[in-house]
Amino acid sequence: QKEVEQNSGPLSVPEGAIASLNCTYSDRGSQSFFWYRQYSGKSPELIMSIYSNGDKEDGRFTAQLNKASQYVSLLIRDSQPSDSATYLCAVRGSNYQLIWGAGTKLIIKP
Amino acid sequence: NAGVTQTPKFQVLKTGQSMTLQCAQDMNHNSMYWYRQDPGMGLRLIYYSASEGTTDKGEVPNGYNVSRLNKREFSLRLESAAPSQTSVYFCASTGLSSGLAGAREQFFGPGTRLTVL
Repeated sequence: QKEVEQNSGPLSVPEGAIASLNCTYSDRGSQSFFWYRQYSGKSPELIMSIYSNGDKEDGRFTAQLNKASQYVSLLIRDSQPSDSATYLCAVRGSNYQLIWGAGTKLIIKP
Repeated sequence: NAGVTQTPKFQVLKTGQSMTLQCAQDMNHNSMYWYRQDPGMGLRLIYYSASEGTTDKGEVPNGYNVSRLNKREFSLRLESAAPSQTSVYFCASTGLSSGLAGAREQFFGPGTRLTVL
């Protein structure tokens, strides 16, 4: 059973600080990695994708990938109350299907 | 563009009743998906359609059927609803021309909140 694991949280971070979200996956053949944000009662929306080892930055968001350790993370700099949401990690495995983590609930405290 | 639309938004069924969830996308995407989302379990793939005319089972297909009516529309049918099917159902689509999600973004509809009593 291919798995994607995330800490369910909630992760509480002060406004303006860095929020660090982590995800591990079991399928070594995985090629594509995604972070989605989901507000309560809403549908998921893509915020970052990453395919190669290393860091990828987009505004306040940085995705980090380490395929050897089967680990992907999302850093949110200068956290804002509007960043409060559940963050879903999704991994495209060797069978081409997306496998989803259960999500980490992030709370940004003003 | 409306993106991905789903109907209905909410539904309450009694055990044994049937219903069809409708999904349509106006982005000319080839691939469409049905997921269910339960608390603490993330998104689980029920069925997908890589292209018009094809459908395949996902992780949790039992109790469901699908129809890819045309390129735009992908419906999910519950023939005999059970309380275990109480969930939030999301339809998604992606524009990759072959295979599944690949490296492309999946766009999600607003979801259908289904309760089976």
